[in-house]
Amino acid sequence: EDQVTQSPEALRLQEGESSSLNCSYTVSGLRGLFWYRQDPGKGPEFLFTLYSAGEEKEKERLKATLTKKESFLHITAPKPEDSATYLCATSEGGGKLIFGQGTTLQVKP
Amino acid sequence: ETGVTQTPRHLVMGMTNKKSLKCEQHLGHNAMYWYKQSAKKPLELMFVYNFKEQTENNSVPSRFSPECPNSSHLFLHLHTLQPEDSALYLCASSSGARGPGNTIYFGEGSWLTVV
Repeated sequence: EDQVTQSPEALRLQEGESSSLNCSYTVSGLRGLFWYRQDPGKGPEFLFTLYSAGEEKEKERLKATLTKKESFLHITAPKPEDSATYLCATSEGGGKLIFGQGTTLQVKP
Repeated sequence: ETGVTQTPRHLVMGMTNKKSLKCEQHLGHNAMYWYKQSAKKPLELMFVYNFKEQTENNSVPSRFSPECPNSSHLFLHLHTLQPEDSALYLCASSSGARGPGNTIYFGEGSWLTVV
């Protein structure tokens, strides 16, 4: 059964304290690994898509990387406005995404 | 972000009511989706429409009835729901639902409370 597991469930950081979020997956035929950000009461906001092991993408303080078994979302020098729930999802094609539980990040000033 | 618009944003309905959720996408996409987000659970796919044709029904109870009149509009008709159906219902769209994993863009969601 395809599964996506994110860790940790919750993460508290001080402003400027860099860290990484993990997304482990078991998918028979990966057609894409997606990262989303979700603020309370809102829909998920697209961040990155990764398609092959070794691929990396960056956006401001965020950098996503992909291996054959997991993806990391690195947050460098986070700010309070980076506080949100970060969702990881895999795709086997056909428009179906399998989501993890998410990591709720809180960045304190 | 106004690419995918959902109405209403909040809905409270009794178990005997009939209501509908509406979704419209302005991104020129050909695929539309309904996802459900319950507390403490991962987002769960409900339905997929590709070029107005339903291509996926993820074992959703018949009290949820989707309708896709064209590639830009998607509805979710609700009737005789249960309190456990209370959740955030998210509409999404992508350029297509076949082939490689196309990026899926979400709306802000409709908060449904069943009393």
